[in-house]
Amino acid sequence: SQTIHQWPATLVQPVGSPLSLECTVEGTSNPNLYWYRQAAGRGLQLLFYSVGIGQISSEVPQNLSASRPQDRQFILSSKKLLLSDSGFYLCASDRVSYNEQFFGPGTRLTVL
Amino acid sequence: LAKTTQPISMDSYEGQEVNITCSHNNIATNDYITWYQQFPSQGPRFIIQGYKTKVTNEVASLFIPADRKSSTLSLPRVSLSDTAVYYCLVGDGGKLIFGQGTELSVKP
Repeated sequence: SQTIHQWPATLVQPVGSPLSLECTVEGTSNPNLYWYRQAAGRGLQLLFYSVGIGQISSEVPQNLSASRPQDRQFILSSKKLLLSDSGFYLCASDRVSYNEQFFGPGTRLTVL
Repeated sequence: LAKTTQPISMDSYEGQEVNITCSHNNIATNDYITWYQQFPSQGPRFIIQGYKTKVTNEVASLFIPADRKSSTLSLPRVSLSDTAVYYCLVGDGGKLIFGQGTELSVKP
C-alpha cells in the first residue's frame, strides 16, 4: 500500500509570512495527488489535485498555490499567509480507478 | 459528483451494532459508494467500498439497495475506539467530495 509523508506536523506562522508544506508518496508511481484543508469541526475541502508532474488543478480561489516538481512530491505554498489559512492540511494520493485515497498524517497550521 | 446526506451525529454504547445511513439520490451509473473513518488530528482512512448489494470486510459491512440511492454502513459490536467521524462519498475515481460526515460517539 501507499505511504504518505507530510511535514511539518505542526506549524505556527505570523500573518503575512510565507508557507511551504511538503508531501511525498511511497509505494506507488504516477499517483493522483490531492491537498485538502479541514477547518475545526468541518469536513474536508479539496484545494488542489494533480494528475501528473507540473499538472495542477485548483478547486477554489484562494491565497494558496500548489506545485508538483516530481512524480511523488506535492508542495503547498503561500507568499503571504492570512488568518483564514489556519487549519489542518492533508495530502492524499489514490489508486487509479478506485475511490480509495491514502492520506498523510496532516499538518496543523496556525496563523497568528 | 453526487451529493451525499448523512446524520450529523450518532450515539451508541459499547457492544452494540451501529448503522449509519447515507442518502445519495443523484448517484451516477459509474459511481461507487465509499466510506471513510477519521479520528481527531488524523487523515481519513478508507473503510469499505461497494457498488450494489452487500459488501463485507473485517471492519464493516455495507448495504446498498437496488436503486442505489442510499447506503448503510454497519459496524458490528462497536468499541470505544470506534468513536470517530464517518464519511460517505460517491464517485468513480479521482476527485472526492467529503461532506460533514457523521460523528459517532461510543459510550461505555
